[in-house]
Amino acid sequence: GENVEQHPSTLSVQEGDSAVIKCTYSDSASNYFPWYKQELGKGPQLIIDIRSNVGEKKDQRIAVTLNKTAKHFSLHITETQPEDSAVYFCAARSGSRLTFGEGTQLTVNP
Amino acid sequence: NAGVMQNPRHLVRRRGQEARLRCSPMKGHSHVYWYRQLPEEGLKFMVYLQKENIIDESGMPKERFSAEFPKEGPSILRIQQVVRGDSAAYFCASSPGTGVYEQYFGPGTRLTVT
Repeated sequence: GENVEQHPSTLSVQEGDSAVIKCTYSDSASNYFPWYKQELGKGPQLIIDIRSNVGEKKDQRIAVTLNKTAKHFSLHITETQPEDSAVYFCAARSGSRLTFGEGTQLTVNP
Repeated sequence: NAGVMQNPRHLVRRRGQEARLRCSPMKGHSHVYWYRQLPEEGLKFMVYLQKENIIDESGMPKERFSAEFPKEGPSILRIQQVVRGDSAAYFCASSPGTGVYEQYFGPGTRLTVT
């Protein structure tokens, strides 16, 4: 089955800096890669996603890149703000299910 | 447009009791997924259902766990004879249908087994 690894597990940045979170996956048949933001006590919120036929996608301060050959994808957040502080999860879709990474606790210090 | 709804938000059960978790998908969504999240871990897939059909239950324990998504009403995840190891957050997600990959999550049910 699919295996997704996510790094780093914790990330602390200063407000205004950029943050990068990286994930690798194992199943070459995976074709969809979403990123979720989870705040304490809440459900995961879909923030951006990318399909396997696209190399990069951007939505305001958030971007995702995908390298199918290397089987890795990354989340980039620019101009971070304190409200970006949360746990971020990457996932890969194989078949109908999503396989999640273990999460990255992002802290943005004012 | 209401999002995915789950209830109860918090559920406390004693060992050996039954837990019933409910999920109402977003309006117009016919696919439901259940995931379990242990403390400080990622989400683990349990089961994928469409109306009146279980499509993939390969992530669900063979014993004590069952799921349904009837023609009318919410999807139900049922855990019989709960044990302490069942304590976790259970999340439901929904998607519109085949060919649409996005899954939208509900707020979760936090199950505590005492």
